[in-house]
Amino acid sequence: DGGITQSPKYLFRKEGQNVTLSCEQNLNHDAMYWYRQDPGQGLRLIYYSQIVNDFQKGDIAEGYSVSREKKESFPLTVTSAQKNPTAFYLCASAGTGSYEQYFGPGTRLTVT
Amino acid sequence: SQKIEQNSEALNIQEGKTATLTCNYTNYSPAYLQWYRQDPGRGPVFLLLIRENEKEKRKERLKVTFDTTLKQSLFHITASQPADSATYLCALLFRGSTLGRLYFGRGTQLTVWP
Repeated sequence: DGGITQSPKYLFRKEGQNVTLSCEQNLNHDAMYWYRQDPGQGLRLIYYSQIVNDFQKGDIAEGYSVSREKKESFPLTVTSAQKNPTAFYLCASAGTGSYEQYFGPGTRLTVT
Repeated sequence: SQKIEQNSEALNIQEGKTATLTCNYTNYSPAYLQWYRQDPGRGPVFLLLIRENEKEKRKERLKVTFDTTLKQSLFHITASQPADSATYLCALLFRGSTLGRLYFGRGTQLTVWP
């Protein structure tokens, strides 16, 4: 089954802790993206990557970090520096020359 | 900065009618405009893409128009069904955009009642 997976679906953390969200795809896509979605808001881009070991900041990168050690994987770390981390996080991928993005099921992070 | 507006946060229509959703943008025209569907608690799903030199695109009961003069796209769902109830997002991709990054509107929540 080809697709993009995110885990876990729900995540709870205490304030001050770093947390890493997983994103894996077996679509052989080069580009991968991380978005944040808040209630009533559109998707805001956090980080994106075209190739292994290279990534760019999106519009709201502060307080987040990513890595791209493998083509299939693009984990996102929400650090304690992120002031308001509670949100719905979406990972997406796209093939080279294709403009449509395939989204994972999302991870809902709650920080208290 | 680029602004993307989708008409009213919520749209309620009766089953069988045509739903029309609007996406307006300011400043630069995108090379491509896309529409996605998002169900509650799930990731968006791609529906249609229209290029800047295309006026209209159809797929089954869906139709998208793109008017670069008005800086507007209309998304129509004909013979709407309760199963069409979801949030619909428009997304813009600009010429020369780095790594195909998209700019999303906030979405319009569509409810189709029987």
